[in-house]
Amino acid sequence: SAVISQKPSRDICQRGTSLTIQCQVDSQVTMMFWYRQQPGQSLTLIATANQGSEATYESGFVIDKFPISRPNLTFSTLTVSNMSPEDSSIYLCSVEDRLASYNEQFFGPGTRLTVL
Amino acid sequence: AQSVTQLDSHVSVSEGTPVLLRCNYSSSYSPSLFWYVQHPNKGLQLLLKYTSAATLVKGINGFEAEFKKSETSFHLTKPSAHMSDAAEYFCVVTPRSGGFKTIFGAGTRLFVKA
Repeated sequence: SAVISQKPSRDICQRGTSLTIQCQVDSQVTMMFWYRQQPGQSLTLIATANQGSEATYESGFVIDKFPISRPNLTFSTLTVSNMSPEDSSIYLCSVEDRLASYNEQFFGPGTRLTVL
Repeated sequence: AQSVTQLDSHVSVSEGTPVLLRCNYSSSYSPSLFWYVQHPNKGLQLLLKYTSAATLVKGINGFEAEFKKSETSFHLTKPSAHMSDAAEYFCVVTPRSGGFKTIFGAGTRLFVKA
């Protein structure tokens, strides 16, 4: 298993500003994932972050809006840029357990973002 | 391609009665299947997982699910609901080969009445 922490746990931001969310894992992992959960909705994958390469973004998400860093095997950041109220969501990072055959994912507690 | 459909957006049961949350999946590859629970303002917690071993999977808090390949289903059940079971439940599918992409179902909100 993996223990994941995120900072900040929540924030209230003004329109047009940017927020960087940090994700820290207690063990080295190859792949980290960033998800968005809009109010009352399910989770949607934003991007996959591999150490040492560019993040891979899902359809509907672009690097200019959601730049991701992955400087080492235990840490990643997601920036929500030029925010608007539509970006108000919970943002979660997760890691996979590739030692097992079933690719279980472990999730951080999430960052609850409100944009005014 | 793969997808997951949770057939009910809301389920309401009385405390002490059985719970059934339905999930159907589609996957081009042999899938791993999971159920997660999310309590209000809490993180995601893994309830149980199917990994191609036993088709009847037991999880935490008395929940279990049965993998039925012929019906492409992975329904979540519990014999007796407790008030603390009120939460959002997500069925999740992940292929075990052919590239990695996890798909979340839309979620089922479980209400438990006293």
